[in-house]
Amino acid sequence: TQLLEQSPQFLSIQEGENLTVYCNSSSVFSSLQWYRQEPGEGPVLLVTVVTGGEVKKLKRLTFQFGDARKDSSLHITAAQPGDTGLYLCAGADNNNDMRFGAGTRLTVKP
Amino acid sequence: NAGVMQNPRHLVRRRGQEARLRCSPMKGHSHVYWYRQLPEEGLKFMVYLQKENIIDESGMPKERFSAEFPKEGPSILRIQQVVRGDSAAYFCASSQWRGANQPQHFGDGTRLSIL
Repeated sequence: TQLLEQSPQFLSIQEGENLTVYCNSSSVFSSLQWYRQEPGEGPVLLVTVVTGGEVKKLKRLTFQFGDARKDSSLHITAAQPGDTGLYLCAGADNNNDMRFGAGTRLTVKP
Repeated sequence: NAGVMQNPRHLVRRRGQEARLRCSPMKGHSHVYWYRQLPEEGLKFMVYLQKENIIDESGMPKERFSAEFPKEGPSILRIQQVVRGDSAAYFCASSQWRGANQPQHFGDGTRLSIL
C-alpha cells in the first residue's frame, strides 16, 4: 500500500501559470520532505517541514504542512520551464525512515 | 566532488548474470539508503545500512538481493541471477545521522538494463 499519495500524477502547464501539487496520507508524520528530481539525476531536497501548519517559502515555491501533519502542499507561482521535473514528497514511517510518494511529474512549457 | 557517488551510471546484464552497484556516501556520512525507481514512478525503499550493519531491509526482496556497507569502501547492492524485472534505476542516498528530519543526499543513480 502507498503510504503517501501524491496528486496530480502528471501536470502540464504554460510558463507563468501558478500550480499546486498535493501529498496526502492517512498517517501522521513527524516531518515531511519535498524533493525535486530532474531526468537522469537523483532527487534533490527542497525543504523539510516539521510543525503542523508550518509554511515555508523558497523563492517562488511555497510549502505547507497540514495542521494534523497528515498532508502537505507545494505551490509554485509563475512557473518557469526550469521548474520542470518530478516532485516527490517523503515522510518518516514508524521506524523513522523516509518513505516516498510516487511523485508529480510537472512540465512547464515555454 | 564531495557528493554521493554511484557507479557505474549504466549497467547492462544478461538474464542470469550478477549485478553489483556501488555507492560512496558523502564524506562524514555513515548512513546509506538504497532505493529503486521504475520509469514514471517514485522511489521505493529497499534497504538502510549503517557502517557494517543492515538496519532495515524490509523493502528488499528476500531472494537474489543483498547489500553491504563495509568498514572500508563503498556500499554494494548485489543482485544475483538477474531477471528482466530487475531493470530499473537504483539510487543511493546518504545522511549524517538517522532521523526523520535528516536530509538525504542522493547520487545520480545506476540504470540497470537486463537483456
